[in-house]
Amino acid sequence: GENVEQHPSTLSVQEGDSAVIKCTYSDSASNYFPWYKQELGKRPQLIIDIRSNVGEKKDQRIAVTLNKTAKHFSLHITETQPEDSAVYFCAARGGGSQGNLIFGKGTKLSVKP
Amino acid sequence: DVKVTQSSRYLVKRTGEKVFLECVQDMDHENMFWYRQDPGLGLRLIYFSYDVKMKEKGDIPEGYSVSREKKERFSLILESASTNQTSMYLCASSLPGGRKTQYFGPGTRLLVL
Repeated sequence: GENVEQHPSTLSVQEGDSAVIKCTYSDSASNYFPWYKQELGKRPQLIIDIRSNVGEKKDQRIAVTLNKTAKHFSLHITETQPEDSAVYFCAARGGGSQGNLIFGKGTKLSVKP
Repeated sequence: DVKVTQSSRYLVKRTGEKVFLECVQDMDHENMFWYRQDPGLGLRLIYFSYDVKMKEKGDIPEGYSVSREKKERFSLILESASTNQTSMYLCASSLPGGRKTQYFGPGTRLLVL
């Protein structure tokens, strides 16, 4: 089955710097890669996703890149702000018509003002 | 706006008790999921359901069962609660198909004494 590794587990940056979180997956049939943000005490919420037929996707300060050959995908946050502080989860959807999401273990991002 | 609600935010139970966690969504989603969230382990899938009265085991189903008698409601049952089931439980729902956004409930923090 699918296995998703996420690094780093914690990340601390200065406000205004960029942050990069990386994930690798094992199932070459995986075709959907969402990223969720979970603020302290709140529910995870989708912030961006990418499908396997696309190499990069951007939404304002957030971008995700996918390298299918290497089986890794990354979240990039530019011009970080204190409100970006949260736990970020990557996920990969396994193959099959109803493949489930397999989540990484999470990255706790702290943005220092 | 998608609403996924869970019956309790906090719950304290004793070892051996039968515990019911309820999840309700109001978006007519076919898919519903129960996850367990533990520090350093990310989100792990317990059970999921693609339709009324259908259920499938996730990655960690042992000690749990589920019920889906109505489309909008998905219940997680701990037949005999144990201390190692102390955790945060998150429910999610989505439209059918594997590439659809999962919407999470607020979570139930369960403490088993």
